[in-house]
Amino acid sequence: DTGVSQNPRHKITKRGQNVTFRCDPISEHNRLYWYRQTLGQGPEFLTYFQNEAQLEKSRLLSDRFSAERPKGSFSTLEIQRTEQGDSAMYLCASSAHGAGNTIYFGEGSWLTVV
Amino acid sequence: AQSVTQLDSHVSVSEGTPVLLRCNYSSSYSPSLFWYVQHPNKGLQLLLKYTSAATLVKGINGFEAEFKKSETSFHLTKPSAHMSDAAEYFCVVSDPQAGTALIFGKGTTLSVSS
Repeated sequence: DTGVSQNPRHKITKRGQNVTFRCDPISEHNRLYWYRQTLGQGPEFLTYFQNEAQLEKSRLLSDRFSAERPKGSFSTLEIQRTEQGDSAMYLCASSAHGAGNTIYFGEGSWLTVV
Repeated sequence: AQSVTQLDSHVSVSEGTPVLLRCNYSSSYSPSLFWYVQHPNKGLQLLLKYTSAATLVKGINGFEAEFKKSETSFHLTKPSAHMSDAAEYFCVVSDPQAGTALIFGKGTTLSVSS
């Protein structure tokens, strides 16, 4: 399977702990996105990379959140000092360069903060 | 600003009957429009997309959608529902001139009864 891969798929953590999620995009895709989805809602955009450059960040991305894509391939999303409100599914997606290109999503990483 | 409104949070149909999921959008420019489907505990799968070519767009699994600029609508239809169509459906708008983010609607849950 050469789709977008995310891990871990599920994470339960205590409030105040740090968590990190990893995303491996489709290999030839230079664009990578992170979204957050809470129960009963559609996904909300968090941030976007083109190659290793982080070009857009949503206001939803507080200073406790940091995303990196150091070599323009895989990406990590770290949440520091987790809060219960961070409980959600974190979705990664990738696409090739160019307007209108299809964005492919991974299966997501579920975070539960207790 | 871009936005998407899915007019029904829940649609119930019988197997073999037509499906209509309604979506209205707001965009300052000529948008790209998509429908994604999400099965329980699965990632988002692209059903179809409109990117200023033909206004009637055919997608996978027998779904299609028609872009109507005068009505700012992009409704999703299928002539005959199948049990496997039961899922969450998201209408999505992308406005390349306003950034790269996909803006998702809140979703419509489709239930199919036998």
